[in-house]
Amino acid sequence: QVQLVQSGAEVKNPGASVKVSCKGSGYTFSNYGISWVRQAPGQGLEWVGWISSNNANAKYAQKVQGRVTLTTDTSTSTAYMELRSLRFDDTAVYYCARALDGSGYFAYWGQGSLVTVSS
Amino acid sequence: EIVLTQSPATLSLSPGERATLSCRASQSVSSYLAWFQQKPGQAPRLLIYDASNRATGIPARFSGSGSGTDFTLSISSLEPEDFAVYYCQQRSNWPRTFGQGTKVEIK
Repeated sequence: QVQLVQSGAEVKNPGASVKVSCKGSGYTFSNYGISWVRQAPGQGLEWVGWISSNNANAKYAQKVQGRVTLTTDTSTSTAYMELRSLRFDDTAVYYCARALDGSGYFAYWGQGSLVTVSS
Repeated sequence: EIVLTQSPATLSLSPGERATLSCRASQSVSSYLAWFQQKPGQAPRLLIYDASNRATGIPARFSGSGSGTDFTLSISSLEPEDFAVYYCQQRSNWPRTFGQGTKVEIK
């Protein structure tokens, strides 16, 4: 079965960087891109970006553009999200997600990684 | 970017009642719309994709309809496990966007 397992919770100071990982299993990692979605405490879902499995294409939300880099490592079936210049409003649970076959819809989700920005 | 507006914000219903949730897009998304269910402390779960197709394992009491700018998620008879927050999401354009959510709570 398809599984996405994310790295653990992080606490960072404002201005620092964080890198969250998402390891895929149960499918051919190189056939699917990975999206990232975040959810601030008590708030709704916010799409962060998408990366193709071969790193050739990426799309980012304007709100994080310039501060976020998405990458994948097909040798380890792992996707990464690095967010720099962290702000208090970056505090959120960050989810990675994989699309349903050929559809672009987020059918498979990681368990989420809480990133807390606090001084 | 395409803005998705969900209504109502909160729906208070009893088990066994019918729930009707709305999602309106600021411009046409054709049928490229999905619905998700989210419970506290859990990742979202895909219910409906392409506006009306149920995802694998989703009970038949969930149904989606609509195209263009107006979409509806219906739950024919609420079960206790259906009380949750529901989000719509479009994949017609970049950036992908979500609605702000509708909370279905027990009356």
